[in-house]
Amino acid sequence: NAGVTQTPKFRVLKTGQSMTLLCAQDMNHEYMYWYRQDPGMGLRLIHYSVGEGTTAKGEVPDGYNVSRLKKQNFLLGLESAAPSQTSVYFCASSWGRESSPLHFGNGTRLTVT
Amino acid sequence: DAKTTQPNSMESNEEEPVHLPCNHSTISGTDYIHWYRQLPSQGPEYVIHGLTSNVNNRMASLAIAEDRKSSTLILHRATLRDAAVYYCILRFSGGYNKLIFGAGTRLAVHP
Repeated sequence: NAGVTQTPKFRVLKTGQSMTLLCAQDMNHEYMYWYRQDPGMGLRLIHYSVGEGTTAKGEVPDGYNVSRLKKQNFLLGLESAAPSQTSVYFCASSWGRESSPLHFGNGTRLTVT
Repeated sequence: DAKTTQPNSMESNEEEPVHLPCNHSTISGTDYIHWYRQLPSQGPEYVIHGLTSNVNNRMASLAIAEDRKSSTLILHRATLRDAAVYYCILRFSGGYNKLIFGAGTRLAVHP
């Protein structure tokens, strides 16, 4: 049982390049989330999804797009990377109930030069 | 959005109890209180959650004030492996599923 798997683990991009971060979960969770964490700070919610085919904006959605075509996968896209997007990105999933804990992946460390 | 307030940092000695406070004065009646911790270079991990009553599990205990405006995460015997950032967050009810993390409390554990 892998839980939440994020790929890649590390990536370096040049300004203006695009990339997609993949999050996969094998727990049949309904809800999935993308967070970013900058040095010395807490997590900030980028986008989230409450079910297959649905997405919603979080606290800091600008510059990112997401898709949830399959229940087990949640993709985060950067169309034109900027240095301000240098961060560690965490994906999480959960059941929809308020009592359900979030399960996090181990993160993707992205550097934009 | 109901928010939480935690001290920026706390210190403890190994094998002593640790009480990590969290204020959430604008909590709604059906919001769950969740605690997570983040070890260095790892994603956050779930610790415990509760609604109204105190809760215990193998990792920690959660004490919730009677008016639910504050809660305390209790580590009964701190170990060096408990050094982490601890986050107190509210899991909103009624289909509102944004989960907003604050800055958390950085716990240092001394040998």
